[in-house]
Amino acid sequence: SYVLTQPPSVSVAPGQTARIPCGGYDIGSKSVHWYQQKPGQAPVLVVYDDSDRPSGIPERFSGSTSGNTATLTISRVEAGDEADYYCQVWDSSSDHYVFGTGTKVTVL
Amino acid sequence: EVQLVESGGGLVKPGGSLRLSCGPSGFTFSSYAISWVRQAPGKGLEWVAFISPGSKYIYYADSVKGRFTISRDNAKNSLYLQMNSLRAEDTAVYFCARATITIFGVITPNWFDAWGQGTLVTVSS
Repeated sequence: SYVLTQPPSVSVAPGQTARIPCGGYDIGSKSVHWYQQKPGQAPVLVVYDDSDRPSGIPERFSGSTSGNTATLTISRVEAGDEADYYCQVWDSSSDHYVFGTGTKVTVL
Repeated sequence: EVQLVESGGGLVKPGGSLRLSCGPSGFTFSSYAISWVRQAPGKGLEWVAFISPGSKYIYYADSVKGRFTISRDNAKNSLYLQMNSLRAEDTAVYFCARATITIFGVITPNWFDAWGQGTLVTVSS
């Protein structure tokens, strides 16, 4: 089955840039989507189709894909960005959605 | 405003059954695919099941296939998840989520653009 791997945690100082990698075999051939989840809340879509942002999501959130890694980048990090972040793809070979393992972003 | 509200969660014994419901509002339910996604306590997100707008396409995660059944009643604006033979490892918050899809001859599910707040299912003796 298809697997998406994320680091358990990323720490970043306010105002700096956080980069969250999501590794998967040939992930560049798939569309990657990203969600933010704060404690006790439902996930919120922050990036879809690799690099597009839903309305209402700040431009500070951006996505990219290269080789076997997709990356969510949060620029000018704020305290309110502290949350868990998940990548997600659709695996057409198994007809399954796949979520990444999740990354906790801590703002120092 | 797009909203999804789950209900039906609770405490059930191993081997028991439970039916979850999801009531959407703020959009044309019959035009959208919907999925169930769950999250065990302290764990990550796990996709459970998917149903297309007209129920033609239904997919399940391997962990629930044969035990869970997803269905919908577009006339009643309702989505369901019938869960049988429940196990301790099914304990989780269950979210319903609106799923975007692309259709070019075949259906391709994409991302989830709206989520409910979830309902907790606890499987324990």
